[in-house]
Amino acid sequence: AQSVTQPDIHITVSEGASLELRCNYSYGATPYLFWYVQSPGQGLQLLLKYFSGDTLVQGIKGFEAEFKRSQSSFNLRKPSVHWSDAAEYFCAVGLYNQGGKLIFGQGTELSVKP
Amino acid sequence: DGGITQSPKYLFRKEGQNVTLSCEQNLNHDAMYWYRQDPGQGLRLIYYSQIVNDFQKGDIAEGYSVSREKKESFPLTVTSAQKNPTAFYLCASTPTGYTEAFFGQGTRLTVV
Repeated sequence: AQSVTQPDIHITVSEGASLELRCNYSYGATPYLFWYVQSPGQGLQLLLKYFSGDTLVQGIKGFEAEFKRSQSSFNLRKPSVHWSDAAEYFCAVGLYNQGGKLIFGQGTELSVKP
Repeated sequence: DGGITQSPKYLFRKEGQNVTLSCEQNLNHDAMYWYRQDPGQGLRLIYYSQIVNDFQKGDIAEGYSVSREKKESFPLTVTSAQKNPTAFYLCASTPTGYTEAFFGQGTRLTVV
């Protein structure tokens, strides 16, 4: 069965430090992968997506992610975190042979220390 | 501006009552989705619709119903059969099955 795992429930980093959020997926076919961000009580905003091609993808707000097929991973990175990056982050796999539905990880809550 | 509008933002329901959550989009998207979000569980798919007058159950459809009479509207009814309805509900849409989903701002439903 398809699944997405985000091993870290909560991460705290200092402002200006680098960030890496982990995501592992289980999917038999070529995956369509996404990272979304959610502020408290709000909807989800797309940070970046991977469909095919270059395995390093750039997104908004200075985020990037790298697709590694051999490790079934799609980790999110940012070289220097800002206080406004504090939010919850979700990794997702798109199932386009099943109506385009998304399978989400459990989410990682990011806190930023001053 | 184009987008997805969910209403109301907050909803309170007494046990035993049905309640309907609204989702409207003006993006001209074909597919629409309802997800439920609970703390620590990510988002789970309730129902989805790829075309008007057609919809499919997602992973947790029990206790919910939907309709798709117009392309821009996809209301979700939480029935009294839903045993634990208190949650944050998110509506989403996509123009085709091969692009990212766009999300509304959500409705927080609380059973009192």
